[in-house]
Amino acid sequence: QKEVEQNSGPLSVPEGAIASLNCTYSDRGSQSFFWYRQYSGKSPELIMFIYSNGDKEDGRFTAQLNKASQYVSLLIRDSQPSDSATYLCAVKLGLTGGGNKLTFGTGTQLKVEL
Amino acid sequence: NAGVTQTPKFRILKIGQSMTLQCTQDMNHNYMYWYRQDPGMGLKLIYYSVGAGITDKGEVPNGYNVSRSTTEDFPLRLELAAPSQTSVYFCASSLGQGIPSGANVLTFGAGSRLTVL
Repeated sequence: QKEVEQNSGPLSVPEGAIASLNCTYSDRGSQSFFWYRQYSGKSPELIMFIYSNGDKEDGRFTAQLNKASQYVSLLIRDSQPSDSATYLCAVKLGLTGGGNKLTFGTGTQLKVEL
Repeated sequence: NAGVTQTPKFRILKIGQSMTLQCTQDMNHNYMYWYRQDPGMGLKLIYYSVGAGITDKGEVPNGYNVSRSTTEDFPLRLELAAPSQTSVYFCASSLGQGIPSGANVLTFGAGSRLTVL
């Protein structure tokens, strides 16, 4: 079992729709969860982070965390073509010790179609 | 405030050659990291550092070395380059750790694309 799993996609949604991206993790002791967006040929950039169960909203983005089920999701409302990118889920696993090391999933490619 | 700066952006090496990827940050971050990203494989941690003079191995350290003589700089050394080291390398930094907070957020450099032929 991979430590952080994401469906590689591509996930295609029409413009204006809600895109739902999911991520599961293996370590129940995990503490912090991050969503990064990566455009082709560019470096990852932070969208948002979450560490408490429930929802966290930032503009069109909502992160949802369910520690009991060990999943974290990202919802993108009113999807725009500019949202087309690869979305990386990153987790600070509970057993990573010092250094704030993040373990990344392989990413989900999102395509927003006109 | 430049953030995290990596050089070079592109490099082609021959098998067996050595080189150093440079990384510097001007945000006074304590923690620095080197990741590599292969197509469809996500980011894999090579080495990290929690402060000047302190480094530790990540998930895929073989074939690499690092040093951290200052807070700002964290170079990655490739010795005896192999085709398996063809990848995109990202340097990142974060303020620190402790309770979950924005201090845990990683800021990435623009990346260095390395090809070993």
